[in-house]
This record gives sequence, structure tokens and C-alpha cells, in this order.
Amino acid sequence: ETGVTQTPRHLVMGMTNKKSLKCEQHLGHNAMYWYKQSAKKPLELMFVYNFKEQTENNSVPSRFSPECPNSSHLFLHLHTLQPEDSALYLCASSQGVVSNQPQHFGDGTRLSIL
Amino acid sequence: SQQGEEDPQALSIQEGENATMNCSYKTSINNLQWYRQNSGRGLVHLILIRSNEREKHSGRLRVTLDTSKKSSSLLITASRAADTASYFCATDAGLGGGADGLTFGKGTHLIIQP
Repeated sequence: ETGVTQTPRHLVMGMTNKKSLKCEQHLGHNAMYWYKQSAKKPLELMFVYNFKEQTENNSVPSRFSPECPNSSHLFLHLHTLQPEDSALYLCASSQGVVSNQPQHFGDGTRLSIL
Repeated sequence: SQQGEEDPQALSIQEGENATMNCSYKTSINNLQWYRQNSGRGLVHLILIRSNEREKHSGRLRVTLDTSKKSSSLLITASRAADTASYFCATDAGLGGGADGLTFGKGTHLIIQP
């Protein structure tokens, strides 16, 4: 049973739609992350939040807009997406952003852009 | 370019055999982690090895780290059908901190034949 919950599990949207992905962690962690997983490509780090403050934006296009209202919740707002944005979006959390902390992942949102 | 790169990309063995996967990386690291991902699920942390450690065990898992060769291996002994999954190594940004978050390889897809 995962301590990180992502909703929805599947999302199909048109290129002009606006939608949001939600992530909630019940582990008391301070850091949260968004990753993009595309077929045959390494997992790509998108955003990092530590104590609600964004510490990393890995050159992600502005059509992806993260929001972290508190240490337990993380959102990814989507608008005007492109077909190449179809992927599995994974949320993770850890006790801190230091590299000796394991990350706990949700099961992801499978996003398909029509 | 990606930091960690797993080898082989795919591995199919009989149940009960041992499975070995390798990971190579480019820059100096503080830690290296291994994760497992079952189909349609998020990543699960398996084991973390620090740069000053050479070997670590956890149940049927054995991880080695050779910092001189910038490589790590994951050995799964007495494999079971439930070990069928993709396995990823992940590293931090290296000396001096740098980017928060982890850098993942493309993974090794392991299939255990019953």
C-alpha cells in the first residue's frame, strides 16, 4: 500500500484542455517531486519542492505549472499540451532533498494527449 | 545526458536462477540507489549504497559499488516470478550538491520464466 496517492490514474485530454494532476503523501515528508516517464527514455525530473518551496525546475515548458500548497500536497496544472507530453507522470516524496533519502513514489497518472 | 545507464536493457531467466544487472554512471556520486517498477505501478526503493561502501545486502538482493569504475551491480538470488519488473539505478548530482532529486537510467527489464 503506497503512502503516496496520485489522482487521476488515467487522463485523456485534448490539446486545448486544462486539467490538473494531484499528488498527496501521508508519510510526513518535506520534499515532493514530479517526474515524467516516457517509453524508452529515462525518468525525467521535472520539479522539486522542499518545505513547499520550489527548489528545482528542470527546464520544463511553461505549459506545465506546479503548485505545492503544503508539504503533503502537490499539483501539476496542465494547459495547451502537445502530443509528445503523453507519458506517465509520477509523483514522489522523501524526508528531505538530500541524496541519501529514498524516494517514495505514487503509481502515477497515465496522460494521453489527443 | 543521463547519469545512470543500466545493462542489459532486457534480461530473461528461469525461476530460481540468479539475475545480475549493471549500472554505469559518468560523474562522481555521494550515493547510488536501486529501484524496482512493476508494470503500471510506481517505483519502489530497494537499496541505497553510499560512495564509501563497496557492498550491501538486503534479503535476496546484493548491491556492489565500484567508484573507480563508476559502476554498480544488483544481484537478485534465487529469482521468483514476482521479481519480474524493471529495475533502475539512480544517482545524485555528485560532489558539492547541485540539483536536488535523482537522475535515473533507462532501466533493465527483467523477466522471470516459471
